[in-house]
Amino acid sequence: QVQLKETGPGLVQPTQTLSITCTVSGFSLTSYYMQWVRQTPGKGLEWMGFIRSGGSTEYNSEFKSRLSISRDTSKNQVFLKMNSLKTEDTGVYYCARGAIAAISTPFDYWGQGVMVTVSS
Amino acid sequence: IQMTQSPSLLSASVGDRVTLSCKAGQNINNYLAWYQQKLGEAPKLLIYNANSLQTGIPSRFSGSGSGTDYTLTISSLQPEDVATYFCQQYNSWTTFGSGTKLEIK
Repeated sequence: QVQLKETGPGLVQPTQTLSITCTVSGFSLTSYYMQWVRQTPGKGLEWMGFIRSGGSTEYNSEFKSRLSISRDTSKNQVFLKMNSLKTEDTGVYYCARGAIAAISTPFDYWGQGVMVTVSS
Repeated sequence: IQMTQSPSLLSASVGDRVTLSCKAGQNINNYLAWYQQKLGEAPKLLIYNANSLQTGIPSRFSGSGSGTDYTLTISSLQPEDVATYFCQQYNSWTTFGSGTKLEIK
């Protein structure tokens, strides 16, 4: 069955870099777009970006300058890296699967999410 | 594209027919999904393409609408439907609404 699971640090200091890994099973990363979404107290659910089945990426302009999404298909893993963290980046970070391999798609499977607190 | 949900809080009784609204800032061509998020859990896809029921979702959930105005209806509210419901447009990139919290009266 399809499963996604995020792993990452619970606490990150301001100005530092956040790194989260999404490990998937039950499907191939080369067949679906993988999305990153976060949920913060200040802005609710925000789409951050995705990596296409072919490996290219697109980012929300809100994060473009400090966000990077990559993957390792041999390990069934997708990675999020975001630098210059601020306290308002505190929230839950989710990876999700686009239901179809297209830009315009709902998200049919989500990971459990990882809570990230940005604090010194 | 801004997505506006109303109401922000809805209280209803078990068995009630419940209607949640989502309004887009521009025509989104039915590229609209509804999600249910229970406390401490990830969002769960209920409806996609405005009116298509995701596999495994109870038939008491239905979606309708077109253009800029969309509705999620629960035909007979059950205790397990207590959750926050979000709409998502995917016509132009993706944006989510701020949610409607549904509670039992």
